[in-house]
Amino acid sequence: DAMVIQNPRYQVTQFGKPVTLSCSQTLNHNVMYWYQQKSSQAPKLLFHYYDKDFNNEADTPDNFQSRRPNTSFCFLDIRSPGLGDAAMYLCATSRDMGQRGETQYFGPGTRLLVL
Amino acid sequence: AQSVTQLGSHVSVSEGALVLLRCNYSSSVPPYLFWYVQYPNQGLQLLLKYTSAATLVKGINGFEAEFKKSETSFHLTKPSAHMSDAAEYFCAVSANTGGFKTIFGAGTRLFVKA
Repeated sequence: DAMVIQNPRYQVTQFGKPVTLSCSQTLNHNVMYWYQQKSSQAPKLLFHYYDKDFNNEADTPDNFQSRRPNTSFCFLDIRSPGLGDAAMYLCATSRDMGQRGETQYFGPGTRLLVL
Repeated sequence: AQSVTQLGSHVSVSEGALVLLRCNYSSSVPPYLFWYVQYPNQGLQLLLKYTSAATLVKGINGFEAEFKKSETSFHLTKPSAHMSDAAEYFCAVSANTGGFKTIFGAGTRLFVKA
């Protein structure tokens, strides 16, 4: 089945220790998104890639970076995690940017714990 | 810019009762509207979406929603709740003015009592 895969499902890191979360897709979609979701809140868009074109949200901290080496994979790097970065990180894909009401397909998420 | 307001952060219904989750949107241009469901420790899954065709949209698991432009609403309903419907529900909007980015509401957690 075509899908969005996130690894690991749970990640524990130490305060200030860099961490990388990964996402892969078999849908061959052009757009990949990273969202941060804190408990009982809406997903907050951090950035997205349209193909290789990177688009950062204005309020995304510099501590968060992303890489998309090819169509299938996208990574979220947190350079120096703080306690406030503990959250669920959701990867999503869509065929296009939504001009025709594109559906986003979400992975199961990676729950990050910062000690 | 567009926005979404979900009325009620928590809704509790009995099994077999009507489910009604409220969503109001704001958009200066015709919007696309979505309902997503999120089960515990999982990602979001599309329930249904409005893309300017029929105003009454039917989705998966027996859910439907009606686009009412005059009321700027897109409420989600299901005639008879099942225990398996217990989850978090997010209303979302995208439109040309926002570069077609999807804006999510704060979510409504649905509890289903036996």
